[in-house]
Amino acid sequence: EPEVTQTPSHQVTQMGQEVILRCVPISNHLYFYWYRQILGQKVEFLVSFYNNEISEKSEIFDDQFSVERPDGSNFTLKIRSTKLEDSAMYFCASSDLVRGSPLHFGNGTRLTVT
Amino acid sequence: SQQGEEDPQALSIQEGENATMNCSYKTSINNLQWYRQNSGRGLVHLILIRSNEREKHSGRLRVTLDTSKKSSSLLITASRAADTASYFCATDDSGGYQKVTFGTGTKLQVIP
Repeated sequence: EPEVTQTPSHQVTQMGQEVILRCVPISNHLYFYWYRQILGQKVEFLVSFYNNEISEKSEIFDDQFSVERPDGSNFTLKIRSTKLEDSAMYFCASSDLVRGSPLHFGNGTRLTVT
Repeated sequence: SQQGEEDPQALSIQEGENATMNCSYKTSINNLQWYRQNSGRGLVHLILIRSNEREKHSGRLRVTLDTSKKSSSLLITASRAADTASYFCATDDSGGYQKVTFGTGTKLQVIP
């Protein structure tokens, strides 16, 4: 069964550094998402992306964050200047329809900011 | 404010018993979904129920939806130790375009 893959599985960075989290969505999916989860707490929506544009974003997704689909397969989340509170699990997801279709999640990238 | 809140936050049962988790939400929705998350892993979709449906079954899962009360329940029958996980409801805001919001989750432990 097709999978969403995320790399790296664990990223450690120093405060103020830039990080790029990478995702390869399922190949025929059109809608892409980033979520984050702080230490087993609720899963928070960050951003959704369709047709090379951001569709929705949350208040968490401020100017420090950006997303990109640099080629036909990858979907990236960049955090420009990391803060301690950015430490979390970041999950990428994709779906083939905008409504009524399940999200398929990757196994996440654990970001640790020191 | 968060869209979904699950109740209870944690549930511990014996293998073979049924587990019921509830979810309440605030705004009108198109669909409600339930996901499962094993510790340290991504979320896995379990079942989707549309706003015009009241009940849906999938294997040992039964989901109900009451749009007048803005609530849903997930019943897992004849639980197994392998069902131990966190369970989340997720809703898409009917006014929003592409945003699925997750609840706070119920941590289920099934004791063998």
